Amino acid sequence: GEDVEQSLFLSVREGDSSVINCTYTDSSSTYLYWYKQEPGAGLQLLTYIFSNMDMKQDQRLTVLLNKKDKHLSLRIADTQTGDSAIYFCAESFGFQKLVFGTGTRLLVSP
Amino acid sequence: EADIYQTPRYLVIGTGKKITLECSQTMGHDKMYWYQQDPGMELHLIHYSYGVNSTEKGDLSSESTVSRIRTEHFPLTLESARPSHTSQYLCASREDTQNTEAFFGQGTRLTVV
Repeated sequence: GEDVEQSLFLSVREGDSSVINCTYTDSSSTYLYWYKQEPGAGLQLLTYIFSNMDMKQDQRLTVLLNKKDKHLSLRIADTQTGDSAIYFCAESFGFQKLVFGTGTRLLVSP
Repeated sequence: EADIYQTPRYLVIGTGKKITLECSQTMGHDKMYWYQQDPGMELHLIHYSYGVNSTEKGDLSSESTVSRIRTEHFPLTLESARPSHTSQYLCASREDTQNTEAFFGQGTRLTVV
C-alpha cells in the first residue's frame, strides 16, 4: 500500500531556512506534490516534481527527490512568519489516486 | 482562485441524525475526492469519483456514502451521525489528466454531540 510519512512539527526563526521531509513507500508514483494548509482553510498547491526529476526550484522553494531512498524534501529559504502552516507532501498514482502524507506543522517565530 | 465550495462550513448535530455535506465545483473536473482530516492533521481519503455515476471507497473505511449524479456535485451523506464522526471533511477536485493540481474546498467541520 501507499504510506507517506512526515515529521509532525518543525520550529524555525524568521529568516532561517526550513526543511520539511517526507518519506514514502510506493515508488510507482508519477508526481509528488507539496501542499500548504493555513488555519481553517483547505489545501493549496505549492509546487510539484515529476518522479524522474531530482530537484526543482521555484523562488524560495526547493524540492529535492531521492528516489533510491524514497525521500522527498521541501526547503523554504528566508522563512517568514506568513509561512507558518501545515505542509503536506502527496503522491499521485497515474490518473487516479492522490495520497497525502501525515502533515508537518511549521511554526516560524520572529 | 479555486471554484470549489463546501457547505456548511460548520455543523453541530445530535447523534442519530442524517446529514449531507455538500461539495460543488464549477471547473468541470471529472475527478473528485472526500478526505477526512484528524484533529492531529492527517488526511485520510474516504471516497473518490472518476466522473458521473462513478464512486469508489478510499483507503479509510467510512460509514458515509457518496453519489455523483452530476459532474459538478459530490455530496457526502451520513445516515446516522455518531460522535466518532466528529472531524473536518475536505472535498477536492482535479482535471482528468496525469499531473494536475487538486483544488480543495474550505472544509466542513462536523461536530456530533
